[in-house]
Amino acid sequence: TAGITQAPTSQILAAGRSMTLRCTQDMRHNAMYWYRQDLGLGLRLIHYSNTAGTTGKGEVPDGYSVSRANTDDFPLTLASAVPSQTSVYFCASSAGSDGSSSQFFGPGTRLTVL
Amino acid sequence: GQNIDQPTEMTATEGAIVQINCTYQTSGFNGLFWYQQHAGEAPTFLSYNVLDGLEEKGRFSSFLSRSKGYSYLLLKELQMKDSASYLCAVRDSNYQLIWGAGTKLIIKP
Repeated sequence: TAGITQAPTSQILAAGRSMTLRCTQDMRHNAMYWYRQDLGLGLRLIHYSNTAGTTGKGEVPDGYSVSRANTDDFPLTLASAVPSQTSVYFCASSAGSDGSSSQFFGPGTRLTVL
Repeated sequence: GQNIDQPTEMTATEGAIVQINCTYQTSGFNGLFWYQQHAGEAPTFLSYNVLDGLEEKGRFSSFLSRSKGYSYLLLKELQMKDSASYLCAVRDSNYQLIWGAGTKLIIKP
Protein backbone atom coordinates (compact mmCIF):
# COMPACT_ATOMS: atom_id res chain seq x y z
CA THR A 1 0.00 0.00 0.00
CA ALA A 2 2.57 2.56 -1.15
CA GLY A 3 0.34 5.37 -2.47
CA ILE A 4 2.89 8.03 -3.38
CA THR A 5 6.60 7.72 -2.77
CA GLN A 6 9.24 10.40 -3.04
CA ALA A 7 13.02 10.16 -3.12
CA PRO A 8 15.26 11.23 -1.61
CA THR A 9 13.86 11.99 1.86
CA SER A 10 16.33 14.80 2.27
CA GLN A 11 19.29 16.24 0.41
CA ILE A 12 21.96 18.87 0.81
CA LEU A 13 22.99 20.30 -2.55
CA ALA A 14 25.70 22.73 -3.56
CA ALA A 15 24.51 25.81 -5.44
CA GLY A 16 24.86 25.42 -9.18
CA ARG A 17 24.42 21.66 -9.13
CA SER A 18 21.50 19.90 -10.75
CA MET A 19 19.18 17.44 -9.08
CA THR A 20 16.08 15.38 -9.84
CA LEU A 21 13.45 14.74 -7.19
CA ARG A 22 11.59 11.53 -7.88
CA CYS A 23 7.87 10.89 -7.39
CA THR A 24 5.96 7.68 -8.11
CA GLN A 25 2.32 6.82 -7.46
CA ASP A 26 0.60 3.45 -7.76
CA MET A 27 -3.02 4.63 -7.62
CA ARG A 28 -3.35 5.15 -11.39
CA HIS A 29 -4.22 8.78 -10.77
CA ASN A 30 -4.41 10.99 -13.84
CA ALA A 31 -3.25 14.24 -12.27
CA MET A 32 0.03 14.90 -10.47
CA TYR A 33 1.50 18.01 -8.86
CA TRP A 34 4.68 19.41 -7.40
CA TYR A 35 4.50 21.91 -4.52
CA ARG A 36 7.02 23.65 -2.36
CA GLN A 37 6.24 24.51 1.24
CA ASP A 38 8.09 27.31 3.03
CA LEU A 39 7.60 28.50 6.59
CA GLY A 40 4.78 31.03 6.86
CA LEU A 41 3.62 30.49 3.30
CA GLY A 42 0.98 28.24 1.84
CA LEU A 43 1.81 25.37 -0.46
CA ARG A 44 2.83 26.84 -3.81
CA LEU A 45 2.32 24.94 -7.03
CA ILE A 46 5.46 24.55 -9.16
CA HIS A 47 4.26 22.36 -12.03
CA TYR A 48 1.38 20.03 -12.66
CA SER A 49 0.26 17.35 -15.09
CA ASN A 50 -3.41 16.61 -15.75
CA THR A 51 -2.60 13.41 -17.63
CA ALA A 52 0.38 11.45 -18.90
CA GLY A 53 2.16 13.31 -21.71
CA THR A 54 1.03 16.79 -20.65
CA THR A 55 2.46 19.28 -18.17
CA GLY A 56 1.69 22.83 -17.10
CA LYS A 57 3.27 25.65 -15.13
CA GLY A 58 2.05 26.57 -11.69
CA GLU A 59 2.59 29.65 -9.57
CA VAL A 60 6.39 29.34 -9.16
CA PRO A 61 7.83 27.37 -12.12
CA ASP A 62 11.11 29.26 -12.69
CA GLY A 63 14.21 27.13 -12.17
CA TYR A 64 12.25 23.86 -12.29
CA SER A 65 11.24 21.44 -15.04
CA VAL A 66 9.08 18.32 -15.11
CA SER A 67 8.19 15.47 -17.41
CA ARG A 68 5.32 12.96 -17.44
CA ALA A 69 6.32 10.06 -19.64
CA ASN A 70 3.85 7.66 -18.00
CA THR A 71 1.00 7.67 -15.48
CA ASP A 72 3.05 6.68 -12.45
CA ASP A 73 6.13 8.91 -12.50
CA PHE A 74 6.49 12.69 -12.27
CA PRO A 75 10.12 13.77 -11.68
CA LEU A 76 11.04 17.36 -10.82
CA THR A 77 14.43 18.66 -11.99
CA LEU A 78 16.39 21.62 -10.72
CA ALA A 79 18.81 22.48 -13.51
CA SER A 80 21.09 24.76 -11.49
CA ALA A 81 20.12 24.99 -7.83
CA VAL A 82 20.10 28.30 -5.95
CA PRO A 83 19.77 28.86 -2.17
CA SER A 84 16.21 30.23 -2.58
CA GLN A 85 15.18 26.75 -3.68
CA THR A 86 15.80 25.48 -0.15
CA SER A 87 12.39 24.15 0.83
CA VAL A 88 10.28 21.08 1.48
CA TYR A 89 8.96 19.64 -1.77
CA PHE A 90 5.74 17.67 -1.89
CA CYS A 91 4.48 15.60 -4.77
CA ALA A 92 0.73 14.96 -4.92
CA SER A 93 -1.74 13.15 -7.13
CA SER A 94 -5.48 13.11 -7.67
CA ALA A 95 -7.86 10.95 -9.68
CA GLY A 96 -8.98 14.01 -11.64
CA SER A 97 -8.27 17.73 -11.64
CA ASP A 98 -11.81 18.94 -11.03
CA GLY A 99 -14.83 18.32 -8.86
CA SER A 100 -14.32 16.81 -5.46
CA SER A 101 -11.06 15.06 -6.38
CA SER A 102 -8.84 15.48 -3.37
CA GLN A 103 -5.07 15.40 -3.62
CA PHE A 104 -2.96 12.71 -1.97
CA PHE A 105 0.50 13.77 -0.90
CA GLY A 106 3.84 12.01 -0.78
CA PRO A 107 6.01 12.22 2.36
CA GLY A 108 8.06 15.12 1.01
CA THR A 109 11.71 15.84 0.20
CA ARG A 110 13.59 18.30 2.37
CA LEU A 111 16.12 20.10 0.16
CA THR A 112 18.85 22.42 1.37
CA VAL A 113 20.86 24.38 -1.20
CA LEU A 114 24.11 25.85 0.10
CA GLY B 1 -4.74 38.70 -6.76
CA GLN B 2 -5.80 35.53 -5.05
CA ASN B 3 -5.75 35.33 -1.29
CA ILE B 4 -6.58 32.82 1.42
CA ASP B 5 -6.54 34.07 5.02
CA GLN B 6 -6.38 31.91 8.15
CA PRO B 7 -5.22 32.67 11.70
CA THR B 8 -1.58 31.75 12.16
CA GLU B 9 -2.00 29.92 15.47
CA MET B 10 -4.75 28.90 17.88
CA THR B 11 -4.71 27.24 21.28
CA ALA B 12 -7.47 25.07 22.74
CA THR B 13 -8.02 22.66 25.61
CA GLU B 14 -8.37 18.91 25.34
CA GLY B 15 -12.06 17.94 25.21
CA ALA B 16 -13.17 21.38 24.06
CA ILE B 17 -14.44 22.69 20.69
CA VAL B 18 -12.46 24.93 18.34
CA GLN B 19 -13.43 26.76 15.16
CA ILE B 20 -10.78 27.61 12.56
CA ASN B 21 -11.84 30.29 10.08
CA CYS B 22 -10.81 30.75 6.48
CA THR B 23 -11.67 33.66 4.20
CA TYR B 24 -10.84 33.68 0.53
CA GLN B 25 -10.68 35.91 -2.52
CA THR B 26 -10.03 33.88 -5.65
CA SER B 27 -10.61 34.08 -9.37
CA GLY B 28 -13.56 31.74 -9.50
CA PHE B 29 -14.63 29.04 -7.09
CA ASN B 30 -14.81 25.32 -7.69
CA GLY B 31 -14.77 23.96 -4.17
CA LEU B 32 -12.99 24.39 -0.85
CA PHE B 33 -10.83 21.80 0.89
CA TRP B 34 -9.50 21.39 4.41
CA TYR B 35 -6.35 19.37 5.06
CA GLN B 36 -4.58 18.37 8.26
CA GLN B 37 -0.79 18.42 8.47
CA HIS B 38 1.13 17.09 11.45
CA ALA B 39 4.61 18.53 11.97
CA GLY B 40 7.12 16.99 9.60
CA GLU B 41 4.47 15.06 7.70
CA ALA B 42 2.45 15.42 4.51
CA PRO B 43 -0.99 17.07 4.38
CA THR B 44 -3.95 14.68 4.52
CA PHE B 45 -7.46 15.37 3.23
CA LEU B 46 -10.18 16.22 5.78
CA SER B 47 -13.18 17.71 3.98
CA TYR B 48 -14.60 19.20 0.81
CA ASN B 49 -17.36 21.82 0.41
CA VAL B 50 -18.77 23.10 -2.85
CA LEU B 51 -22.30 24.10 -1.79
CA ASP B 52 -23.25 26.41 1.06
CA GLY B 53 -23.84 24.76 4.39
CA LEU B 54 -22.37 22.37 6.88
CA GLU B 55 -20.68 19.04 6.11
CA GLU B 56 -20.27 16.81 9.14
CA LYS B 57 -17.79 13.97 9.38
CA GLY B 58 -17.41 12.52 12.87
CA ARG B 59 -15.74 15.01 15.21
CA PHE B 60 -14.94 17.34 12.31
CA SER B 61 -17.38 19.61 10.47
CA SER B 62 -16.78 22.14 7.71
CA PHE B 63 -18.99 25.07 6.76
CA LEU B 64 -19.08 27.15 3.60
CA SER B 65 -20.67 30.48 2.64
CA ARG B 66 -19.82 31.28 -0.98
CA SER B 67 -21.46 34.72 -0.87
CA LYS B 68 -19.21 35.71 2.04
CA GLY B 69 -16.08 33.95 0.79
CA TYR B 70 -15.91 32.21 4.14
CA SER B 71 -15.43 28.75 5.56
CA TYR B 72 -14.72 27.26 8.95
CA LEU B 73 -13.53 23.94 10.27
CA LEU B 74 -15.08 22.87 13.55
CA LEU B 75 -13.30 20.32 15.69
CA LYS B 76 -15.23 18.80 18.61
CA GLU B 77 -14.06 16.75 21.62
CA LEU B 78 -10.48 17.78 20.99
CA GLN B 79 -7.79 15.18 21.49
CA MET B 80 -4.06 15.69 21.88
CA LYS B 81 -3.53 14.05 18.48
CA ASP B 82 -5.46 16.92 16.89
CA SER B 83 -2.43 19.15 17.47
CA ALA B 84 -1.46 19.93 13.88
CA SER B 85 -1.68 22.59 11.20
CA TYR B 86 -4.96 22.92 9.33
CA LEU B 87 -4.77 24.08 5.73
CA CYS B 88 -7.59 25.73 3.80
CA ALA B 89 -7.44 25.50 -0.01
CA VAL B 90 -9.76 26.81 -2.74
CA ARG B 91 -10.03 25.41 -6.25
CA ASP B 92 -10.08 28.39 -8.60
CA SER B 93 -11.48 28.93 -12.10
CA ASN B 94 -8.46 27.10 -13.58
CA TYR B 95 -9.12 24.17 -11.26
CA GLN B 96 -5.87 24.79 -9.42
CA LEU B 97 -5.75 24.70 -5.62
CA ILE B 98 -4.83 27.98 -3.92
CA TRP B 99 -3.56 27.30 -0.41
CA GLY B 100 -3.68 29.28 2.79
CA ALA B 101 -0.58 29.35 5.00
CA GLY B 102 -2.28 27.12 7.55
CA THR B 103 -3.41 27.45 11.16
CA LYS B 104 -1.25 25.78 13.79
CA LEU B 105 -3.53 24.33 16.45
CA ILE B 106 -2.02 23.68 19.87
CA ILE B 107 -3.99 21.45 22.24
CA LYS B 108 -3.31 21.77 25.95
CA PRO B 109 -4.30 19.14 28.53
